[in-house]
Amino acid sequence: SQTIHQWPATLVQPVGSPLSLECTVEGTSNPNLYWYRQAAGRGLQLLFYSVGIGQISSEVPQNLSASRPQDRQFILSSKKLLLSDSGFYLCAGDRGSGNTIYFGEGSWLTVV
Amino acid sequence: AQTVTQSQPEMSVQEAETVTLSCTYDTSESDYYLFWYKQPPSRQMILVIRQEAYKQQNATENRFSVNFQKAAKSFSLKISDSQLGDAAMYFCAYRSGRFPGTYKYIFGTGTRLKVLA
Repeated sequence: SQTIHQWPATLVQPVGSPLSLECTVEGTSNPNLYWYRQAAGRGLQLLFYSVGIGQISSEVPQNLSASRPQDRQFILSSKKLLLSDSGFYLCAGDRGSGNTIYFGEGSWLTVV
Repeated sequence: AQTVTQSQPEMSVQEAETVTLSCTYDTSESDYYLFWYKQPPSRQMILVIRQEAYKQQNATENRFSVNFQKAAKSFSLKISDSQLGDAAMYFCAYRSGRFPGTYKYIFGTGTRLKVLA
């Protein structure tokens, strides 16, 4: 079965500092990968998705970027964090079939 | 654009009773998937149940079942014999896109379910 690992689980970063959240997938090849942000009362907001190495689609213009350097690796980054970047970030993936999406454990980001 | 609406921010149910969570969606697509995910306090997202739009039969997984009304674009979740462990945030989700490489999963804002002992 597909397993998604995500880290770090928690981080506190000052405004203006860089960010790197990493996600890796086990148990499948060529997955579609997704980054979501969960803010209180707003559900899951899709930030980026990727259908393959180097292929990134952005859903929401913002201070963040994503990269996929390997088939089963997905990275969320920022050069300079804003207070509004605080939230719970979830990496997710499907097997390419589109019939189920699996999630990592999530990362809590607090920008201070 | 596709949207998913969960109009109940919070629901309560007595242990062993039945509760129904509502979800509506908006789409012009004819073939898609719908999901219910559970998010307990640990924040781990867990798939509860899945429905394929071209299947008329409502999906069932043990105590969890759905009422899928395609024409009305409604997808409600029924939890029977509610247990304390069912307490969580529940998200309705829709998978858009017709072809691999176009799939996106769109989530509602969630319904917090409380189970009363």
